[in-house]
Amino acid sequence: GQQVMQIPQYQHVQEGEDFTTYCNSSTTLSNIQWYKQRPGGHPVFLIQLVKSGEVKKQKRLTFQFGEAKKNSSLHITATQTTDVGTYFCAGEARAGKSTFGDGTTLTVKP
Amino acid sequence: GAVVSQHPSWVICKSGTSVKIECRSLDFQATTMFWYRQFPKQSLMLMATSNEGSKATYEQGVEKDKFLINHASLTLSTLTVTSAHPEDSSFYICSAWQGANSYEQYFGPGTRLTVT
Repeated sequence: GQQVMQIPQYQHVQEGEDFTTYCNSSTTLSNIQWYKQRPGGHPVFLIQLVKSGEVKKQKRLTFQFGEAKKNSSLHITATQTTDVGTYFCAGEARAGKSTFGDGTTLTVKP
Repeated sequence: GAVVSQHPSWVICKSGTSVKIECRSLDFQATTMFWYRQFPKQSLMLMATSNEGSKATYEQGVEKDKFLINHASLTLSTLTVTSAHPEDSSFYICSAWQGANSYEQYFGPGTRLTVT
């Protein structure tokens, strides 16, 4: 079945440093979504990418979808303590069913 | 964004009893709802896909007779954990999908189940 791998599993950064998490799918995706889950909370939708090579920005967050639509990345510039949490990618290979990656847990030291 | 509620937010039950968890989309109609299970510090594991008016589709390894799913309306899906055992203790999260051109899933706040 479809597998979605995410690396790294954990990332500890100093406030102000950049952060990147990578997502790779074993199959070509129709779209990919990114979610953020704060400690003790539930996943919150951040963005979806649909087009090959697509790049989207949300303030300090930059999301990329690979040309082959099998990989994606989330980059945070100049991290802040409010960025802490676990970031999940979810790849949709067929309509209505997304497979979540294992997530990258980000901690930010002030 | 759209709001999805879950009830209860936490529940403690004795081994052998059944527990029902409700998932409601409050301000939109969800053609599809998903039920996930999440263990501490792990990812979300899809248990089943629930479509309004039809039988749920269960993922491999998930017992449909143990995790009963009912999607009676476009705004409500329920998950019943039957004859619960301590190994069923987990965080159960539902999400709702509007379908059509919307890919994003709106997650409920989750239900923490502890079976003693």
